[in-house]
Amino acid sequence: NAGVTQTPKFRILKIGQSMTLQCTQDMNHNYMYWYRQDPGMGLKLIYYSVGAGITDKGEVPNGYNVSRSTTEDFPLRLELAAPSQTSVYFCASSKQGDYGYTFGSGTRLTVV
Amino acid sequence: RKEVEQDPGPFNVPEGATVAFNCTYSNSASQSFFWYRQDCRKEPKLLMSVYSSGNEDGRFTAQLNRASQYISLLIRDSKLSDSATYLCVVSYSGNTPLVFGKGTRLSVIA
Repeated sequence: NAGVTQTPKFRILKIGQSMTLQCTQDMNHNYMYWYRQDPGMGLKLIYYSVGAGITDKGEVPNGYNVSRSTTEDFPLRLELAAPSQTSVYFCASSKQGDYGYTFGSGTRLTVV
Repeated sequence: RKEVEQDPGPFNVPEGATVAFNCTYSNSASQSFFWYRQDCRKEPKLLMSVYSSGNEDGRFTAQLNRASQYISLLIRDSKLSDSATYLCVVSYSGNTPLVFGKGTRLSVIA
């Protein structure tokens, strides 16, 4: 089982550029999440989804968008990259909302 | 008051030592509790769930005190490989995302 797969692993963006962080899981989990983690800080929830076609904002959604057209995929879109979005982004999935999460290996994004 | 609070550490302990981490949570309606481990520059991984009756997995013991809204993790006979950040995690309900503490960093020294 691949679990949760994130691509790319690393990316450098210029201010104002856009990009999509990809996340896919093969465990047939209904719940999927996007977190960001700044150096020395905890995980902050950006968006989450409880099933295909349903998404909800988390703690820090500004500057991001998501979609959930299939159970497997939950891409995160940055429209106009800003230096404040420099962070490590983790995607996760779970069978139910209060089950333990399986995380992807993360995407390290630098905005310059 | 922050939702999930942990002592950030770092805790520097010699091999073989016993170390305990504490965590407090603010929402008394919280239902599920976990400890995650995060190695440097890696993703968090589930270490163990925490039950009201307490649970043990080898050298690791987790305890929950609902009355005090307090969770603990005890590591016995510390190994060099236990060096990591330990995240305290709480769920308010089955439909809301987990809330992560900032983590406690542990360094086990030879």
